[in-house]
Amino acid sequence: QKEVEQNSGPLSVPEGAIASLNCTYSDRVSQSFFWYRQYSGKSPELIMSIYSNGDKEDGRFTAQLNKASQYVSLLIRDSQPSDSATYLCAVNSNTGNQFYFGTGTSLTVIP
Amino acid sequence: DGGITQSPKYLFRKEGQNVTLSCEQNLNHDAMYWYRQDPGQGLRLIYYSQIVNDFQKGDIAEGYSVSREKKESFPLTVTSAQKNPTAFYLCASSYRLAGFYNEQFFGPGTRLTVL
Repeated sequence: QKEVEQNSGPLSVPEGAIASLNCTYSDRVSQSFFWYRQYSGKSPELIMSIYSNGDKEDGRFTAQLNKASQYVSLLIRDSQPSDSATYLCAVNSNTGNQFYFGTGTSLTVIP
Repeated sequence: DGGITQSPKYLFRKEGQNVTLSCEQNLNHDAMYWYRQDPGQGLRLIYYSQIVNDFQKGDIAEGYSVSREKKESFPLTVTSAQKNPTAFYLCASSYRLAGFYNEQFFGPGTRLTVL
C-alpha cells in the first residue's frame, strides 16, 4: 500500500470554477500535511500546510484535513489558467523525519 | 535572499562516469534531502541528513552517495553503479519545530541526462 495516494487525473475545470483535489494517507500518526504546486519542468512550490483537523484558508486556497478518515484535500476557488499544474500532496512520517509524496494530480483550468 | 540553490541546472553524463550535483541553502535549516523525480512519477527519497556529518538512506539510495560536512551544503554524487540515472533531481531543506520537521522547501532542480 502506498503511503500517500492521489488521483492522477487529469482534472479539468473551467475558469472561475472550484477545483477539488484529494489525497489519502496510510500512516495514522502522521502529524503534518502539505500541498505543493509543480509547474511542468519546475520544482515543487509549497502552497499550503495543515496540521489540525478542519479547514485552513489562504486566499483562493482551502486545505481540509480529516485525520479520522486519513484524508486531506485542497480546494481552489475561482480557478485561473495560471493554476494549471500538477499538485502534490505530502505527509510527514510518524517519526517526523521523512516526507512521503503522492504522485500528483494534474489540473488544467480551461479559459 | 534566502533560499536553496542547485547547480548545474542541466548535466550530461557519459556511461561509467561519476557526477556530483551541488545543493546549498542559506535558510539555516537543519535537515536536507535529495529526491529523484521521473516523468509522470512522484518524488522518491534518495538520502536525507538532519545534522552535520550524519545522513540516512532513503528508498532508492543504491548507486548514490552524499556528504554533509557543512550545515549549508549537501552534495549528491551519482556513481557509475546507478544504472538508470536520467531524471530530475531535487534538493530540499526543512526546519524542526516541536519535534517534527516542517515544510520542505525545494531548490530549482538539476536535470541529469545520460548520453
